[in-house]
Amino acid sequence: QQQVKQSPQSLIVQKGGISIINCAYENTAFDYFPWYQQFPGKGPALLIAIRPDVSEKKEGRFTISFNKSAKQFSLHIMDSQPGDSATYFCAALYRDDKIIFGKGTRLHILP
Amino acid sequence: EADIYQTPRYLVIGTGKKITLECSQTMGHDKMYWYQQDPGMELHLIHYSYGVNSTEKGDLSSESTVSRIRTEHFPLTLESARPSHTSQYLCASSEYGQGEAFFGQGTRLTVV
Repeated sequence: QQQVKQSPQSLIVQKGGISIINCAYENTAFDYFPWYQQFPGKGPALLIAIRPDVSEKKEGRFTISFNKSAKQFSLHIMDSQPGDSATYFCAALYRDDKIIFGKGTRLHILP
Repeated sequence: EADIYQTPRYLVIGTGKKITLECSQTMGHDKMYWYQQDPGMELHLIHYSYGVNSTEKGDLSSESTVSRIRTEHFPLTLESARPSHTSQYLCASSEYGQGEAFFGQGTRLTVV
């Protein structure tokens, strides 16, 4: 049973465009929703995270939108740059339980 | 700055050999994890630990074993390596009450 479903699997965006990656979850007890960014040859690193008491969080060009009623959250990358090309993972966890990751999205930004 | 280290970074080894992948963190985190990942693909949790002498199997069945004798150290062992074990292995740690997990750079294992 996949508790966090991520889409699309891969995404190609023109430089300067908006990249959007979506995730849906099933467990309403989840209380922390992070996004991780992974470059080739590196481990994933936390990019931005949100808790369900807010609907949006913005850090620079990265924004998480959170829809509690729909059990969905998404990552928006504004003014996408070639340096943003990476694999992105959404995740969810409940209190101190283990982290549940989505399957990942390979993002490629065309120069 | 996250301080979690994995050694070796790359390992090529013959079938049937015993190997141990090392993972150490200096942050004093109680929670540690091992993930298996093919390049750029899904992260599969194979082992996790909530503290010293605590180990649990993850969602993906693995022939590897782990131990947690010290807080900072979480080694993974394969008693008899096979080509099907070829993959990247990522170690991570996190603190109770903090959702962020810190990952090492990974060990890329090739079994020939």
